[in-house]
Amino acid sequence: QKEVEQDPGPLSVPEGAIVSLNCTYSNSAFQYFMWYRQYSRKGPELLMYTYSSGNKEDGRFTAQVDKSSKYISLFIRDSQPSDSATYLCAMRRWDTGFQKLVFGTGTRLLVSP
Amino acid sequence: GAVVSQHPSWVICKSGTSVKIECRSLDFQATTMFWYRQFPKQSLMLMATSNEGSKATYEQGVEKDKFLINHASLTLSTLTVTSAHPEDSSFYICSARGRPQETQYFGPGTRLLVL
Repeated sequence: QKEVEQDPGPLSVPEGAIVSLNCTYSNSAFQYFMWYRQYSRKGPELLMYTYSSGNKEDGRFTAQVDKSSKYISLFIRDSQPSDSATYLCAMRRWDTGFQKLVFGTGTRLLVSP
Repeated sequence: GAVVSQHPSWVICKSGTSVKIECRSLDFQATTMFWYRQFPKQSLMLMATSNEGSKATYEQGVEKDKFLINHASLTLSTLTVTSAHPEDSSFYICSARGRPQETQYFGPGTRLLVL
């Protein structure tokens, strides 16, 4: 079983839809959670970063963490064609001596006009 | 957000030559830098982790003599692919993390094609 599970998609939605992207994880030691967006042939871009359970909002993006269920989500409101990309969840343990991010496989999102 | 740059953005070289890729954190001090490799339609594969002034820690299966990493300062890390071969052709991405936020930022990537 992978430490982080993420549906690879593709997820196709019409412009303006609310998008829900999800990851589950198995290691309760993960305490820092991130969402990255990666366009084709580009490096990942950090969208959201959180370390506590609950919701964090930034513009059209909301990151949700449920540590009791080991489940994280990224919601995109009013989705745009420019949101079409691969979205990667990533997480890290709390102890700074263990430095690696563990990534999901990425979900490819397609927003059609 | 913080900015990480990479140079060059793409490179084509002949088999047997060495290629150096630079990674810089432009507006923060990177205590830790990471080098990843990514094949088409696949997720990121961590190659090595380096802390400023110390030797890099390589992931299992990554040849340290093949992929030389130097983290000379808090803003610069280099990856040198020595004696490159066609199978080394890939997309190489660096990443940097600094205090106090502990967040990790990625560079734009370098596309390497070995002929």
